[in-house]
Amino acid sequence: DTGVSQNPRHKITKRGQNVTFRCDPISEHNRLYWYRQTLGQGPEFLTYFQNEAQLEKSRLLSDRFSAERPKGSFSTLEIQRTEQGDSAMYLCASSFIMGGRFYGYTFGSGTRLTVV
Amino acid sequence: KNEVEQSPQNLTAQEGEFITINCSYSVGISALHWLQQHPGGGIVSLFMLSSGKKKHGRLIATINIQEKHSSLHITASHPRDSAVYICATSKTSGSRLTFGEGTQLTVNP
Repeated sequence: DTGVSQNPRHKITKRGQNVTFRCDPISEHNRLYWYRQTLGQGPEFLTYFQNEAQLEKSRLLSDRFSAERPKGSFSTLEIQRTEQGDSAMYLCASSFIMGGRFYGYTFGSGTRLTVV
Repeated sequence: KNEVEQSPQNLTAQEGEFITINCSYSVGISALHWLQQHPGGGIVSLFMLSSGKKKHGRLIATINIQEKHSSLHITASHPRDSAVYICATSKTSGSRLTFGEGTQLTVNP
């Protein structure tokens, strides 16, 4: 297993365009998380899934943001009508939890979005 | 006031020095996590703590549940330890993480 994979690594887009990022978690992990990190700040929570169910969504996730995990494996995060304030690193993480046992989080390398 | 506060924000040390980074949190948690982030963004989990103390190589993490405080220590620091160290909390196992702002550590040779 190659860990948590995020694609693309970098994305430059014009304001108003839609972008989609993909996260492939560790294959046996049932939870998948999205975070956003701006320069000099710690990551902020966006949303997370257990299998295909979206368990929690931050109020930071405006109507322009949507995330899916259709088969409980990979996930996509889409931002519609991008704004300059969306420029950030988008981080994905995954974890495995079963029967109360939890084995920690594994992070991807992130997708850096620049909106020009 | 942020739910998770770290200090200092920036720390510069000479190789070989003993380093301490502090983290305070304001709500009940199931675990506290210390993570390391290198330039380029990748985050590596260092420790997950719910009580007491853990050690891995030159890194030691402690937590005081009553005082809602944790420390990360690095003994015999080395330039390769230069990174951002982030404290994060989770309210239940496997729930979302709430992060501090990070401590930028630079270790000079």
